[in-house]
Amino acid sequence: DAGVTQSPTHLIKTRGQQVTLRCSPKSGHDTVSWYQQALGQGPQFIFQYYEEEERQRGNFPDRFSGHQFPNYSSELNVNALLLGDSALYLCASNSVGGLGNTIYFGEGSWLTVV
Amino acid sequence: DAKTTQPPSMDCAEGRAANLPCNHSTISGNEYVYWYRQIHSQGPQYIIHGLKNNETNEMASLIITEDRKSSTLILPHATLRDTAVYYCIVRVAGRGGATNKLIFGTGTLLAVQP
Repeated sequence: DAGVTQSPTHLIKTRGQQVTLRCSPKSGHDTVSWYQQALGQGPQFIFQYYEEEERQRGNFPDRFSGHQFPNYSSELNVNALLLGDSALYLCASNSVGGLGNTIYFGEGSWLTVV
Repeated sequence: DAKTTQPPSMDCAEGRAANLPCNHSTISGNEYVYWYRQIHSQGPQYIIHGLKNNETNEMASLIITEDRKSSTLILPHATLRDTAVYYCIVRVAGRGGATNKLIFGTGTLLAVQP
């Protein structure tokens, strides 16, 4: 049973460029959330997707956008990259409904903006 | 802001029990207590969660006080591989509604010593 998988694992982008990160949820899960983790800090919630719609959003600018596909996989897009966007981007998945619906995380995508 | 407070760091001898405390004095009746850990450069790993009863699984035990204002995560026989940052999080997760916006605090860095 594959867990949450993310790609790429590492990437380097130049300031002003755009980046797309990809996530496949754990088998049986229908909800995907994205988090940003800067060095030395805890993860910060970006947004959540369920039924191909953004359901909840954290305090992130519109440069951060996402998409969920019919197979529940998801993409995170960041436009006009800033140096401060350098971070570990984490995808998490769970299944809506049911008691607990535990959230599981992937290993993350390391983004470096130079 | 995180609704939990944890000590920034703790040491534990290998083979001994590690007891990690967490205060959540403003927890609501429909909020569960979740524990995750993050080993350096990896995604957060789910450990255990509970509402009001003590819980045990293959990784750890969770003891929640009767007033639910604090809890303790117990790793019964700590190993060097348990060295990680441990996060205590409260989350609405019951039937009828759940949030995927996990709010991470600074966590506790547990250092298991040989």
